[in-house]
Amino acid sequence: GAVVSQHPSRVICKSGTSVKIECRSLDFQATTMFWYRQFPKKSLMLMATSNEGSKATYEQGVEKDKFLINHASLTLSTLTVTSAHPEDSSFYICSASLGQLPGNEQFFGPGTRLTVL
Amino acid sequence: AQSVTQPDIHITVSEGASLELRCNYSYGATPYLFWYVQSPGQGLQLLLKYFSGDTLVQGIKGFEAEFKRSQSSFNLRKPSVHWSDAAEYFCALDTGGFKTIFGAGTRLFVKA
Repeated sequence: GAVVSQHPSRVICKSGTSVKIECRSLDFQATTMFWYRQFPKKSLMLMATSNEGSKATYEQGVEKDKFLINHASLTLSTLTVTSAHPEDSSFYICSASLGQLPGNEQFFGPGTRLTVL
Repeated sequence: AQSVTQPDIHITVSEGASLELRCNYSYGATPYLFWYVQSPGQGLQLLLKYFSGDTLVQGIKGFEAEFKRSQSSFNLRKPSVHWSDAAEYFCALDTGGFKTIFGAGTRLFVKA
């Protein structure tokens, strides 16, 4: 099956710094990538959808200036948490899809645990 | 409003016993429904999906799910649970706008 990797798997940073998380589709070209945030004992909340070469579409309530998403190629999307604060601590998960048709399967990365001190 | 509800936060079953995880959805049209499993350190893995047709869907690892429109349910079942099935299970709804809505998840514990 299709494999999606994330790097780093966990990161600890100081408040006020920026953190970049990479999401790569290893064996397929992903037209669309998604970024989710998962809170403890909670579900995945979609943050944004990104298509290669275009600006990301952010969900309501997600600050696009704080969570910068770049989808520069068909195999790489990055999420940068700018000026991170403790409330940004969470588990961030990306997924990749071959297209944007309804019901298209998403392939998920293993997630990145962000802890902001 | 579109939503997915998994009523059980956690469930404990004995190894070898049968399993049913509940999922209810709210959506005005025919939904695309999924079940995913999340193990520690691994990404969500698709167990099965329902788009249309036969309401009993077979998936990987011996799982199946039944779509019941009248009950707005898509419950996941397995006749005999293995210790390796212990994980978090998510039911999800694709609304067709390419936005997937996930339930809160059900943590499955398997006891020997």
